[in-house]
Amino acid sequence: DTGVSQNPRHKITKRGQNVTFRCDPISEHNRLYWYRQTLGQGPEFLTYFQNEAQLEKSRLLSDRFSAERPKGSFSTLEIQRTEQGDSAMYLCASRTTGATLVEQYFGPGTRLTVT
Amino acid sequence: ILNVEQSPQSLHVQEGDSTNFTCSFPSSNFYALHWYRWETAKSPEALFVMTLNGDEKKKGRISATLNTKEGYSYLYIKGSQPEDSATYLCASVSNFGNEKLTFGTGTRLTIIP
Repeated sequence: DTGVSQNPRHKITKRGQNVTFRCDPISEHNRLYWYRQTLGQGPEFLTYFQNEAQLEKSRLLSDRFSAERPKGSFSTLEIQRTEQGDSAMYLCASRTTGATLVEQYFGPGTRLTVT
Repeated sequence: ILNVEQSPQSLHVQEGDSTNFTCSFPSSNFYALHWYRWETAKSPEALFVMTLNGDEKKKGRISATLNTKEGYSYLYIKGSQPEDSATYLCASVSNFGNEKLTFGTGTRLTIIP
């Protein structure tokens, strides 16, 4: 297993377009998180899944954002009608729930630029 | 402290020198503190997960301490090498159930050869 992967690595889109990002977690990890990092800030929590169930969404996640994790494996994050303020690095992380106090394993992120 | 704060924001260190930086976090409802190293164009890499007051952890030339009563953690790098150049992020966890990370803004470390 090569770790958490994210695609695409970079996305440039025009304002108003829809975009979708994909995250493939480490295969045995049943918990998956999405974070967003804007310029000059640390990553901020967006949402997380336990298997296929989305258990929590941040108020940062407006109704233009939707995330899914069908079958509890890969996850997608879709942004509809993108705005310039959506430009950020979107990070995905996964972890096992078989133990407490374990690290989250991060992917390399998808950098979104909205023009 | 209401948020996770890190200082300094950036740091230039001569190769071979030792350095340290600080992470401050809310001490109430504290569950765990994570340290990550994030090199440009790579994935953030976990360094330490700490929870007990007085905890000290070490990984090679890097070590970390934790004070949960006053809400701070120090990260130390001994004998800095060029490959230590990265952004170092700390993140606190206040909820055992979701274990979501609340990050600081990071310390960007540059090692000067």
